[in-house]
Amino acid sequence: GEDVEQSLFLSVREGDSSVINCTYTDSSSTYLYWYKQEPGAGLQLLTYIFSNMDMKQDQRLTVLLNKKDKHLSLRIADTQTGDSAIYFCAEKAGNNRKLIWGLGTSLAVNP
Amino acid sequence: EAGVAQSPRYKIIEKRQSVAFWCNPISGHATLYWYQQILGQGPKLLIQFQNNGVVDDSQLPKDRFSAERLKGVDSTLKIQPAKLEDSAVYLCASTWGRGALNTIYFGEGSWLTVV
Repeated sequence: GEDVEQSLFLSVREGDSSVINCTYTDSSSTYLYWYKQEPGAGLQLLTYIFSNMDMKQDQRLTVLLNKKDKHLSLRIADTQTGDSAIYFCAEKAGNNRKLIWGLGTSLAVNP
Repeated sequence: EAGVAQSPRYKIIEKRQSVAFWCNPISGHATLYWYQQILGQGPKLLIQFQNNGVVDDSQLPKDRFSAERLKGVDSTLKIQPAKLEDSAVYLCASTWGRGALNTIYFGEGSWLTVV
């Protein structure tokens, strides 16, 4: 079936790079997304990658996709305290193309 | 551009009572979603509308949850009667179309506590 898994917690020091990992099971995934959720707020789309790409860079964000291993990662360079949030990986898969979500990775940035 | 508006932001009710949430999507967005997000979990799709028609309501507990999108714009989600396990954030989202590249915009959510 369809499933998306993420590690639940990540703690980094301010200025370091953060790498958040995600694995998915549906090989028919077309797009994979990273959403950010700050406390008390809704979900904000950070970036996405099409399944025929292996890397996408957008300012401090780098998305790497290993389609063979069904592994997706989000790298945040020069992590700031404002990056503290929960990061959700989601894939668009299945015949009805609905989004399948991971449980989210809580990123804590320490000064 | 105004975002997705939801109300109320917070609601506390007793079990077996009813509650209704309202959503106003971004102007021109044909697709509207209601998600349930329980603390510590990812969002779970409850229902998806395309204009005023239902596209997917397979995970909507229809014995107690109902949703409508009259006139294809605003939408309401109702829970009656509420159970303790309905305590969650109810997120409304909208997008222009159904294609993969159409960005889904989320509201700030309606936080429900059932006591």
